[in-house]
Amino acid sequence: ETGVTQSPTHLIKTRGQQVTLRCSSQSGHNTVSWYQQALGQGPQFIFQYYREEENGRGNFPPRFSGLQFPNYSSELNVNALELDDSALYLCASSFGRGNTEAFFGQGTRLTVV
Amino acid sequence: SQQGEEDPQALSIQEGENATMNCSYKTSINNLQWYRQNSGRGLVHLILIRSNEREKHSGRLRVTLDTSKKSSSLLITASRAADTASYFCATDGYGGSQGNLIFGKGTKLSVKP
Repeated sequence: ETGVTQSPTHLIKTRGQQVTLRCSSQSGHNTVSWYQQALGQGPQFIFQYYREEENGRGNFPPRFSGLQFPNYSSELNVNALELDDSALYLCASSFGRGNTEAFFGQGTRLTVV
Repeated sequence: SQQGEEDPQALSIQEGENATMNCSYKTSINNLQWYRQNSGRGLVHLILIRSNEREKHSGRLRVTLDTSKKSSSLLITASRAADTASYFCATDGYGGSQGNLIFGKGTKLSVKP
């Protein structure tokens, strides 16, 4: 186990609703990244937070937003859910800005109906 | 867009055989990492190889990196049924500060007992 925990593990939402996913980073890590993984695909980078500030963003619309808290845990919020948002959402924690060895949580499986 | 592309997409072998997976990428990198994913769960970090390294070992794993060909290979020796999983290579963007990993679509490995 990596020490990165995500909640909830599964959830089902209706199109148009909003959802908040949570991630607790590994002890000692100050960077959290979020990824979306559609079925049969590799993870796609959503954004990264380093010491409570956004450090980079992938090609996702503004309705995907995030936060990092002083204890370095993080939230991913998605507004106006669409069917294509159905995916596994992965959180990864690491130490330091930039590209380092990342430790992933077990993911949150989001289904939008 | 996805930088890394794994080959083959699927691989089926008998227990005890070796499994080799390849990864190609498009741009210069600082490092390349390999991850394992079991049945749509979280990603497990296997090994990181830096751009100035050519080969790295970890237990039954051997990773090579050829930056001139922009390719890497992952060899799993004496495979076990428990190695059945999807394997992803992930690269960073050389000089990038976003901190994101760029994943391929993965190789699905099936090890039959």
